[in-house]
Formats: sequence, C-alpha cells, structure tokens
Amino acid sequence: DTAVSQTPKYLVTQMGNDKSIKCEQNLGHDTMYWYKQDSKKFLKIMFSYNNKELIINETVPNRFSPKSPDKAHLNLHINSLELGDSAVYFCASSQRGASYEQYFGPGTRLTVT
Amino acid sequence: AQTVTQSQPEMSVQEAETVTLSCTYDTSENNYYLFWYKQPPSRQMILVIRQEAYKQQNATENRFSVNFQKAAKSFSLKISDSQLGDTAMYFCAFMNPNTGNQFYFGTGTSLTVIP
Repeated sequence: DTAVSQTPKYLVTQMGNDKSIKCEQNLGHDTMYWYKQDSKKFLKIMFSYNNKELIINETVPNRFSPKSPDKAHLNLHINSLELGDSAVYFCASSQRGASYEQYFGPGTRLTVT
Repeated sequence: AQTVTQSQPEMSVQEAETVTLSCTYDTSENNYYLFWYKQPPSRQMILVIRQEAYKQQNATENRFSVNFQKAAKSFSLKISDSQLGDTAMYFCAFMNPNTGNQFYFGTGTSLTVIP
C-alpha cells in the first residue's frame, strides 16, 4: 500500500498552461504539505494545510494554489506556468501531536518548455 | 524562519567505514524536533532518524546515530559500516510544532559510498 501517492510522476507542458498535480494519503493524517525541490536539490515548503488552517509561504507566487477536496487529498494547481516553475514537487503528510514525522510522496517532476 | 545549515555539499566514504554529516540550526525555541532524511537517486524521501529536543539521549537507528548538542545547536548524523545503498542526498530538517509543523530543510549533503 502506498502511503502518500502523487500523480502524475512526470509532467511536461508549455509555458502559459495551467496544470494540476494530485496528492492522496491513506495514513489518516490531519496535515498535508507541498514542497518544491529545485535543480540544486534545495527543498522549500510551499504550503501546509489541515482542515482548519492553510499556511502559505509568502515567497510562493499566487499562481500556485492548493485545493483540498477532503482530508486525504491536497492537490496543487498552477496557473500560467513559467520556465522557473520547472522542479520536482513533493507532497507530504503528518499527524500533529504524534511523531511529527512527515511522509513524502514519490515526487512529480514538472518540466516547463 | 528557521535556518538549517549543512556545510558539507559533498562527501565520500569507503564501504564499511564510518562517516559523519554535520548540521547546525538556528532557533530561539526550546521545544522542537530534528530529522535526517535520505533521498536516493530514486528521489523518494526516506526518514532516517528523529530526535526530540527535550530528550538528552541521542537517537539511534541501527547503523545510524546522531550527536545532538542542544546548546551548540548541532545535530550531526553518523553512519557506521557504510553500505553502497547509503549513497544518497541527506537532508537535515528542523520542525517547530508551534508553527504549523512546517519543516525547514538544510541544503543537503551528497554522500557517495565507494566500493
């Protein structure tokens, strides 16, 4: 059983397009996250979200928006894609008050041409 | 925002030898958690070890152990009996449970185990 899954694993698209990456966790966790890993492998938090609170990293452009249809899903929508958006995007989840460990999905490699 | 520093961009170690990866962090908090994650070429992020700041005892997981120095804000990872499968990027991470459980990652250390 995959704990945190992401689709697609690879996404190639052109500048200006709008795309979504889906994330699902079957761990029953209450908090989910999106990270961006750039070409230098630097991991940066974009969003953290539970059913009560969305925390947005202020450096994230408003072209990026998380959408959570339910507790087990946190999708990432990106509008008007730019070349600089090319990166690997990771979804993760954790349970507050427990071990705080974050479980990561396999990542989605986004390439904008 | 918290800062996490990994001063060794790349390291190598002979198979079966021991290697230590360094990590320092900056915080004014007293309650927090520290983690080491491993990212092999498959790019999957895998938890290696976790340390609660309120625990004085250093965490250990099989061949992996940490040297946690709270006053010095240092959290190094020691890998004993290095194996080829240990080749990966290693990320140190800081988490403050009072700020939305957000992780702050270091820039990573690329470790190569040489046969």
